Amino acid sequence: EAGVAQSPRYKIIEKRQSVAFWCNPISGHATLYWYQQILGQGPKLLIQFQNNGVVDDSQLPKDRFSAERLKGVDSTLKIQPAKLEDSAVYLCASSPLIAGAKNIQYFGAGTRLSVL
Amino acid sequence: GESVGLHLPTLSVQEGDNSIINCAYSNSASDYFIWYKQESGKGPQFIIDIRSNMDKRQGQRVTVLLNKTVKHLSLQIAATQPGDSAVYFCAERSNAGGTSYGKLTFGQGTILTVHP
Repeated sequence: EAGVAQSPRYKIIEKRQSVAFWCNPISGHATLYWYQQILGQGPKLLIQFQNNGVVDDSQLPKDRFSAERLKGVDSTLKIQPAKLEDSAVYLCASSPLIAGAKNIQYFGAGTRLSVL
Repeated sequence: GESVGLHLPTLSVQEGDNSIINCAYSNSASDYFIWYKQESGKGPQFIIDIRSNMDKRQGQRVTVLLNKTVKHLSLQIAATQPGDSAVYFCAERSNAGGTSYGKLTFGQGTILTVHP
């Protein structure tokens, strides 16, 4: 079974520029997550989709971050304009839609963003 | 507020020893806990999970113990190998509202180093 695919693996931009990350979840997984992982910390959830609807975006800085999940499959996360403090690894994860059960999330390798 | 933390940020062991990684949580509403392993340059990889109605669960060379009385979670790795060297994160799911898709909150992480 193919895992969660993310691209690009690395991105270097200057502050105030914009950037976009792409994620393709595991086939059939209804739930998709975007996390921000700052160096030395655990992942922090930015946004959670269930199919193509947003379930939780309470920690998404909506003034500069946006995300969409087209047709309930692929997703893009955008930052515009970027700030220095946005330097982090952006992880995408997916999980199957199983009511009342576990919530094992499967992660991609992430995109490492450096804002200069 | 909610928090998931680890007592020891680093742990060094000799190959063949048993390792114990600890995690404290504060949200009594959490109903599900997961341990992830993250190697350098990779996304978190699922190791083992446990639901709040259990106090112990075993996998291959790993055991998770849950003590709800003191809100403590531990991961035991038997016969630790150099390939186990990584950062280990515990995560909790708060099942507020009865949803099965509650947000995962990750701890800071423990760096495990296994010496040959």
